[in-house]
Amino acid sequence: DQQVKQNSPSLSVQEGRISILNCDYTNSMFDYFLWYKKYPAEGPTFLISISSIKDKNEDGRFTVFLNKSAKHLSLHIVPSQPGDSAVYFCAASVTGGGADGLTFGKGTHLIIQP
Amino acid sequence: NAGVMQNPRHLVRRRGQEARLRCSPMKGHSHVYWYRQLPEEGLKFMVYLQKENIIDESGMPKERFSAEFPKEGPSILRIQQVVRGDSAAYFCASSPGGGGAAFFGQGTRLTVV
Repeated sequence: DQQVKQNSPSLSVQEGRISILNCDYTNSMFDYFLWYKKYPAEGPTFLISISSIKDKNEDGRFTVFLNKSAKHLSLHIVPSQPGDSAVYFCAASVTGGGADGLTFGKGTHLIIQP
Repeated sequence: NAGVMQNPRHLVRRRGQEARLRCSPMKGHSHVYWYRQLPEEGLKFMVYLQKENIIDESGMPKERFSAEFPKEGPSILRIQQVVRGDSAAYFCASSPGGGGAAFFGQGTRLTVV
């Protein structure tokens, strides 16, 4: 049973437009959410995170939105740039005790078209 | 280099051999995680370790796989008697703990022939 789901395997966006990547989760115990970006043959790179006590976190061109009631989060990239083409992983964890390993989605391949 | 260091980057083993993957966490990080990425799949949690302790190994296959993070030296993921299905990218991540973001190494790509 997948606890973190990224239902779009790929997404194509024109350069300069907004990219919106979506992620759903089923485990209501998750209280910390992260987005990672991954280029081929490299390790994932941390992008941005959000705690469950917030509904929005912004860092430059990247904004993450969290809707706890819908168990949904999204990553907005605006404006999209060619270097943003990569696979984006959504991850979630339960903090505050026990193992805090991350549960990852399967990723969304974002393609920025010129 | 202050990042998470994994070696080797590429490892080729014949079926039945042993594979040893090493991970040196970022300076100041005492929490290490191992993840595996199979082709067309996301990252799957394998094991979470702190110095000299295994905290959570719920993602580790029951047999042939083991992990350690000794007091001195890198964390080691050991796969005995490798099979073709072990071919994957293995990523190590480290964090300072407390639920903060984990930072990943560049991974070890294991190919079993």
